Amino acid sequence: KQEVTQIPAALSVPEGENLVLNCSFTDSAIYNLQWFRQDPGKGLTSLLLIQSSQREQTSGRLNASLDKSSGRSTLYIAASQPGDSATYLCAVPYSGGGADGLTFGKGTHLIIQP
Amino acid sequence: DAEITQSPRHKITETGRQVTLACHQTWNHNNMFWYRQDLGHGLRLIHYSYGVQDTNKGEVSDGYSVSRSNTEDLPLTLESAASSQTSVYFCASSPSGSGGELFFGEGSRLTVL
Repeated sequence: KQEVTQIPAALSVPEGENLVLNCSFTDSAIYNLQWFRQDPGKGLTSLLLIQSSQREQTSGRLNASLDKSSGRSTLYIAASQPGDSATYLCAVPYSGGGADGLTFGKGTHLIIQP
Repeated sequence: DAEITQSPRHKITETGRQVTLACHQTWNHNNMFWYRQDLGHGLRLIHYSYGVQDTNKGEVSDGYSVSRSNTEDLPLTLESAASSQTSVYFCASSPSGSGGELFFGEGSRLTVL
């Protein structure tokens, strides 16, 4: 059974810092990996989708990397802003393809102090 | 813009009652999913569907059912609500096949008294 772990569970940093969120998964035979953002009382918003053939994806100040062989992914946030405060979740397919749903980590709760 | 909507957003019900949570998406996605989110457990898959007339059980399907009569809708039914089913429920959809990006609704908060 695929298991996803996110470290740290919570993080509080001053505005402007660069930071790294970590995600690890037990079964490296994944088709892709997604990073999501969840604001309090809201649904999940997809941030980045990395296919298994890719090493990284970038969107604005966000950069996600994927190392399938070691079962790890990182989400790098550059020049953090208070608006980045949210819970960040990573997810991988239950099975290789992903059409049968995703397994989620429990998330990293991020607070950016003004 | 295409979207995925859930209703009701908040519901309080009593133990033993039947409850149906609605999910409607306008992306024309074939794949649809229901998750529940609980403190300490994170998101867990309840049921999913690959298309019309197709339904499949997820990790925590006991006490829940779904039906798929068209592409746009996947209602989730709790046949006899239990207090353990108090949770936030999220519907999601993705394009056909595998490897597609997952899009989520805003969630439905259910309280079973």
